[in-house]
Amino acid sequence: QQQVKQSPQSLIVQKGGISIINCAYENTAFDYFPWYQQFPGKGPALLIAIRPDVSEKKEGRFTISFNKSAKQFSLHIMDSQPGDSATYFCAARGNNDMRFGAGTRLTVKP
Amino acid sequence: EAQVTQNPRYLITVTGKKLTVTCSQNMNHEYMSWYRQDPGLGLRQIYYSMNVEVTDKGDVPEGYKVSRKEKRNFPLILESPSPNQTSLYFCASRTLAGNTQYFGPGTRLTVL
Repeated sequence: QQQVKQSPQSLIVQKGGISIINCAYENTAFDYFPWYQQFPGKGPALLIAIRPDVSEKKEGRFTISFNKSAKQFSLHIMDSQPGDSATYFCAARGNNDMRFGAGTRLTVKP
Repeated sequence: EAQVTQNPRYLITVTGKKLTVTCSQNMNHEYMSWYRQDPGLGLRQIYYSMNVEVTDKGDVPEGYKVSRKEKRNFPLILESPSPNQTSLYFCASRTLAGNTQYFGPGTRLTVL
């Protein structure tokens, strides 16, 4: 069963817009929540991550919002650019077990 | 350059023909793992290793074997590949205490 549920599957945003990708998890033992960015033909690369003791983390145009009680977290990409077009995966880690969402394919139109 | 390398990058094979996908990292990481990526399913962990001679099953270990005889290498072995193992495979590594996992470039395997 998918322990981390990600939505939407695909997302099209205009340049300059805000991209929002949502994830929900089930296991309360998860203690680390990263987002990975993957370009075609490449492996995933860590984009930004958060621990459950904070509700928000911002790095440049990328922000993670975390809601521990709802067991949900989301990635916000402000001022989306065509170069942000990629597949994004949320993940959750507990012990040595990393679970990934199904991925969101983001297309940013010029 | 710090990196995870995988070989081969692309492989087409037939059912039942044993194959090995190699993975090597030059960052002295203790933890290494293998994932498969399938459309709509994201990345699912096959096996992981926390150090030399220590390996453990992930979510989808059936049909796969691994070994960790050296710290830098973590090969994935398919003793009798089947078409349902057609997938994109990624190796990854990190330090035991670290959070950042570094992925290799991927191996696209097709089993006919």
